[in-house]
Amino acid sequence: KNEVEQSPQNLTAQEGEFITINCSYSVGISALHWLQQHPGGGIVSLFMLSSGKKKHGRLIATINIQEKHSSLHITASHPRDSAVYICAVRRGHMDSNYQLIWGAGTKLIIKP
Amino acid sequence: DAGVTQSPTHLIKTRGQQVTLRCSPISGHKSVSWYQQVLGQGPQFIFQYYEKEERGRGNFPDRFSARQFPNYSSELNVNALLLGDSALYLCASSFAQGSPYEQYFGPGTRLTVT
Repeated sequence: KNEVEQSPQNLTAQEGEFITINCSYSVGISALHWLQQHPGGGIVSLFMLSSGKKKHGRLIATINIQEKHSSLHITASHPRDSAVYICAVRRGHMDSNYQLIWGAGTKLIIKP
Repeated sequence: DAGVTQSPTHLIKTRGQQVTLRCSPISGHKSVSWYQQVLGQGPQFIFQYYEKEERGRGNFPDRFSARQFPNYSSELNVNALLLGDSALYLCASSFAQGSPYEQYFGPGTRLTVT
């Protein structure tokens, strides 16, 4: 079993829909990242969470440390949101190496 | 401000050759990490450097090596290239190692080994 599991693997929705991508992990973590990767490869860090909830524009990320679960939400989705969304966790204590454990990603397609 | 930069953007090599990939972190960032992303898979951690010292190494053979320079830029070297080394190589920088320092990713270098 992978240490970081994402669902769904693929998601196709219509423009304007509310999108939820889920991430579950099985290890103790110090931080969880949500990242976006567009075709062609470049990765953009969206959020880094260790507790609670963060919001940037139409993006919202939540984390429940007790349940070892995080969600990424996109409100009023737009075709430009189409990308692969990746959940990655950093295991260990504050001073340990910055080695991210990556989920497999969720491929999101928003149709106009 | 410039983000993380990587060079070259694309590279084609043949089996057995050696390759050097370069990364310049965001100004002020002292930690650089390297990741390999094979097509269709998530990135795999290769190395982390902080203050010019190796602080972490993933499960990669000794053909992979890296270093960090006094200006905190970094090079990733791969010797005796194999077809399986074809991948997107990502560099990420952060102010320091550890939480709560967020990593910022470069655009990647796409290496094709033929």
